Amino acid sequence: GDSVTQTEGQVALSEEDFLTIHCNYSASGYPALFWYVQYPGEGPQFLFRASRDKEKGSSRGFEATYDKGTTSFHLRKASVQESDSAVYYCALVRSSGGNYKPTFGKGTSLVVHP
Amino acid sequence: GALVYQYPRRTICKSGTSMRMECQAVGFQATSVAWYRQSPQKTFELIALSTVNSAIKYEQNFTQEKFPISHPNLSFSSMTVLNAYLEDRGLYLCGARTVNERLFFGHGTKLSVL
Repeated sequence: GDSVTQTEGQVALSEEDFLTIHCNYSASGYPALFWYVQYPGEGPQFLFRASRDKEKGSSRGFEATYDKGTTSFHLRKASVQESDSAVYYCALVRSSGGNYKPTFGKGTSLVVHP
Repeated sequence: GALVYQYPRRTICKSGTSMRMECQAVGFQATSVAWYRQSPQKTFELIALSTVNSAIKYEQNFTQEKFPISHPNLSFSSMTVLNAYLEDRGLYLCGARTVNERLFFGHGTKLSVL
């Protein structure tokens, strides 16, 4: 079945550090890939998506590039802020034959210290 | 913009009783609604996928008898947790799918069971 693996369970950084959260997926064909951010007490917020090889998604200074060769969609940000502290989820959606099923990774908790 | 309202935000019910939660898409037509439960460990469990005018697809370990879902139109869906017990606690999320394949979530309904 489809799966999403986020390598880091927790990431601790200082403000202005560079962020990378790794996301690898396993699915047939060309699934759409997503990043979500979730703040305490809230539902996941859509950041961006990509659906083709080499397509880059971006929002709020975060970006990720769809890489079918390495089956990855790593999240990056050049300079994090304390307000970026949250849980980040990578997800994939494969739509085939009318079967639409979103699959989420286990999330990466980001803590940014001032 | 696309918004998803989910209510109530939190609810407490006695063990063995039932509670209903509702999900409203505002500003777009939700072609599908995905209901999830998020555990305290923050992992997402897909309960069911609901598409208007199609059969609702429940995931393994979730049944219509326990989590009946109504999806009467492209902007509204509801789910009931019947005979709730401690293991049903968690944050229930509805994700509404747009025609351009984005998935937006509400704030979630936090269910506590006494």
